[in-house]
Amino acid sequence: EDQVTQSPEALRLQEGESSSLNCSYTVSGLRGLFWYRQDPGKGPEFLFTLYSAGEEKEKERLKATLTKKESFLHITAPKPEDSATYLCAGYSTLTFGKGTMLLVSP
Amino acid sequence: EAGVVQSPRYKIIEKKQPVAFWCNPISGHNTLYWYLQNLGQGPELLIRYENEEAVDDSQLPKDRFSAERLKGVDSTLKIQPAELGDSAVYLCASSLLPGQLNNEQFFGPGTRLTVL
Repeated sequence: EDQVTQSPEALRLQEGESSSLNCSYTVSGLRGLFWYRQDPGKGPEFLFTLYSAGEEKEKERLKATLTKKESFLHITAPKPEDSATYLCAGYSTLTFGKGTMLLVSP
Repeated sequence: EAGVVQSPRYKIIEKKQPVAFWCNPISGHNTLYWYLQNLGQGPELLIRYENEEAVDDSQLPKDRFSAERLKGVDSTLKIQPAELGDSAVYLCASSLLPGQLNNEQFFGPGTRLTVL
């Protein structure tokens, strides 16, 4: 059974305090690893797709990386508007993790 | 460009009643997904359509849930009869390319269902 585990469940940062979110996966025949952002009361918003170990993608203050067993979402100098729940999903059977709720305080 | 449209946004019903959710995907998107999301959890795939065909419905509880996508555009998800445990947010998403190509999914705002 495919499993995607995200940690931590919640993270509180001060504005400008960089950190990383973790997504470990056990997905047979992984074809891709997605990262999404979800704001309260809204559907998830696509951020990145990573296809192979060693791949990295960046968007503004976010950088996603992928190894054979896990993915990291690095947040550099976060701002309050980065506060959201970040979801990762493994694509074989589209299995999502529970997400990491990020709160960035000014 | 309009995003994925879902209606209603909120629905409150009593248990054993039927309920239906409607989704209009982004124009030109052939792949449509229905997800269920419980509070504090990630979305769980219920069914995936490629045009009119349901290509993955293995997680759809077929005793009470049904879905259709007539003409390969709009889709309706139905629950009959609803149970207390069905209270959740039902999300619809669409993507341009077939699902196996790992392409970006665009999500609607969801329908929040409360079963009393």
